[in-house]
Amino acid sequence: DSGVTQTPKHLITATGQRVTLRCSPRSGDLSVYWYQQSLDQGLQFLIQYYNGEERAKGNILERFSAQQFPDLHSELNLSSLELGDSALYFCASSLSSSGNTIYFGEGSWLTVV
Amino acid sequence: QKEVEQDPGPLSVPEGAIVSLNCTYSNSAFQYFMWYRQYSRKGPELLMYTYSSGNKEDGRFTAQVDKSSKYISLFIRDSQPSDSATYLCAMTYSGGYQKVTFGIGTKLQVIP
Repeated sequence: DSGVTQTPKHLITATGQRVTLRCSPRSGDLSVYWYQQSLDQGLQFLIQYYNGEERAKGNILERFSAQQFPDLHSELNLSSLELGDSALYFCASSLSSSGNTIYFGEGSWLTVV
Repeated sequence: QKEVEQDPGPLSVPEGAIVSLNCTYSNSAFQYFMWYRQYSRKGPELLMYTYSSGNKEDGRFTAQVDKSSKYISLFIRDSQPSDSATYLCAMTYSGGYQKVTFGIGTKLQVIP
């Protein structure tokens, strides 16, 4: 158990809908990262927050947004969902901002039908 | 060309074999190099990380970095069926707020 908690573990939703994925980082970790993993693309970095502020952005679509709250938990919002958004979404956390030792949650498996 | 290249496998070896997993990269600015193990549909688990060049050993696992060749390796000695998983290399820059770039992962199967 990495100490990173993600909910929900699985969800199935229809195209055009909106979902919110939630992440609680390890106790004491200030950085939260979101990754998307699909079979053909591997792990793709979406976005990083550090102590409530956005710090690095990857290939995150405009339909997706995230935030980190004062208690350090984070949410990833996915809207206008398309079939191609079906993937495993991982949250990870680290104490520092450098990303060299990040710990992953178990992921949220999103299926868009 | 991807920044990090990794053969997706699958790689099948008999139990007890020495396994060699490798990644190449194109960005010479990478300074931190990590290996993650991911069991099916689980979150990646950090195995080892090294800074710059050199070797690092942890039990049956040895990580090597050759920055001159832009090549990193993970060796697993006395491989066990429980080592069957996907192994992802990852790398990032030194300092600041830097994204981590992952390889696509190599699927390893250790056959009893």
